[in-house]
Amino acid sequence: SAVISQKPSRDICQRGTSLTIQCQVDSQVTMMFWYRQQPGQSLTLIATANQGSEATYESGFVIDKFPISRPNLTFSTLTVSNMSPEDSSIYLCSVDRAGGGETQYFGPGTRLLVL
Amino acid sequence: GENVEQHPSTLSVQEGDSAVIKCTYSDSASNYFPWYKQELGKRPQLIIDIRSNVGEKKDQRIAVTLNKTAKHFSLHITETQPEDSAVYFCAAGSGGSNYKLTFGKGTLLTVNP
Repeated sequence: SAVISQKPSRDICQRGTSLTIQCQVDSQVTMMFWYRQQPGQSLTLIATANQGSEATYESGFVIDKFPISRPNLTFSTLTVSNMSPEDSSIYLCSVDRAGGGETQYFGPGTRLLVL
Repeated sequence: GENVEQHPSTLSVQEGDSAVIKCTYSDSASNYFPWYKQELGKRPQLIIDIRSNVGEKKDQRIAVTLNKTAKHFSLHITETQPEDSAVYFCAAGSGGSNYKLTFGKGTLLTVNP
């Protein structure tokens, strides 16, 4: 499976500010996904990051709040904009298997606390 | 869209016993069903998966069964060990070019020594 890294691993931010989370993979992958996992909860898909096109957002998530970039096949960023305490969560990226397919592998996550 | 229900939400077993976690899904187009294990503070790790053309798959102490007609699938862990203690998530995937996974709410499994 791919080696996936995320930066930062954790951060404490003030409300009203923005944070950009990076996801880097050691091999080219077709699909990259961004999830949110609130404490003690399940994984909720925010959006699918498409290389060369706009991200596809799930219901309840909008581009103005969670802009996403996917400049190449190994890298993506998620920005959490105009943060409020309700955005405190773990943000995870995942990637599909090299060569494509349904299997997803997760990055280590970014733990965000908004004060 | 897809809806995945997972039961039970918590499960406590004695070491050496078996554990079974069940999931149901709503979208008959779903064709891929992975299971993830998440230890406290760690990322979800894929432990086993099954595709819709297969009814059962086994990997050592872990097995998954799928009943497409009834739209349910289950995770079976035999001879449980304390290191099996974790949160387990089932998921269902579909969508072709718009592929994505929908996750269940998770099961906290505790294996008591």
